Amino acid sequence: RKEVEQDPGPFNVPEGATVAFNCTYSNSASQSFFWYRQDCRKEPKLLMSVYSSGNEDGRFTAQLNRASQYISLLIRDSKLSDSATYLCVASSGGYNKLIFGAGTRLAVHP
Amino acid sequence: ETGVTQTPRHLVMGMTNKKSLKCEQHLGHNAMYWYKQSAKKPLELMFVYNFKEQTENNSVPSRFSPECPNSSHLFLHLHTLQPEDSALYLCASSQVAQNTEAFFGQGTRLTVV
Repeated sequence: RKEVEQDPGPFNVPEGATVAFNCTYSNSASQSFFWYRQDCRKEPKLLMSVYSSGNEDGRFTAQLNRASQYISLLIRDSKLSDSATYLCVASSGGYNKLIFGAGTRLAVHP
Repeated sequence: ETGVTQTPRHLVMGMTNKKSLKCEQHLGHNAMYWYKQSAKKPLELMFVYNFKEQTENNSVPSRFSPECPNSSHLFLHLHTLQPEDSALYLCASSQVAQNTEAFFGQGTRLTVV
C-alpha cells in the first residue's frame, strides 16, 4: 500500500465550481500534513498546512481526520489560475521526512 | 539571493560520465533533501540530511552519492547512470520541527543517454 494515496484525477471543472480532493495516509504516526501545488514543469510550492481543527485560507479549506487517516482540500469558486496538480503530503518516521502523494490534476476551464 | 537554488537546471549525460548536481539554500534551514520526480510517478524521497548528518537513504542505488558539507549546501554525485534515471531531481530544505514545510528548488532536469 502506498504511504499517501490521492484521487487520480484529472478533474475538469468550469470556472466558479467547487471541487474537493481526498487523500489517505497509511502511517498512523504521521504528525505533519500539507497540500502543495505543482504547476507544469515547475517545482512544488506549499499551498497550505493541514491541522486537526481544519483550516481555511481564502477559497481553500483543508481538513484532517486522524481517526480515518484522511485529508481533504476544498477549493471554492475555482479560477483558471487554479489549474495545476495538487499534492497531498504526510510526514513519516519523523517530523521532516515528507512523503508525497502522486498528485491530482485540476483543469479549470472558462 | 534567497530561497533554494539548484544548478545546473538541465543536464544531459552519457552512461559512463560522472557529474554532480548542486543545491544551495539561503533560508537558514537545518535539513536538506533530494527528491526524484519521474514522468507519471509521485515525488520519491531519496536522501534526508538533518544538521549535516544523513538520516535517510531510501534504498537509493549507489550510483547516486549525496554529500552535505554544511547545512547550506547539498550535492548529488552521479556516475554510471542508466537511461531510466532520467528525471527531474529536486532539492528541498526545511527546519527540523513539526508542521514546517519544505521549500523546493527549481530542479535539475536530467537526461541520461
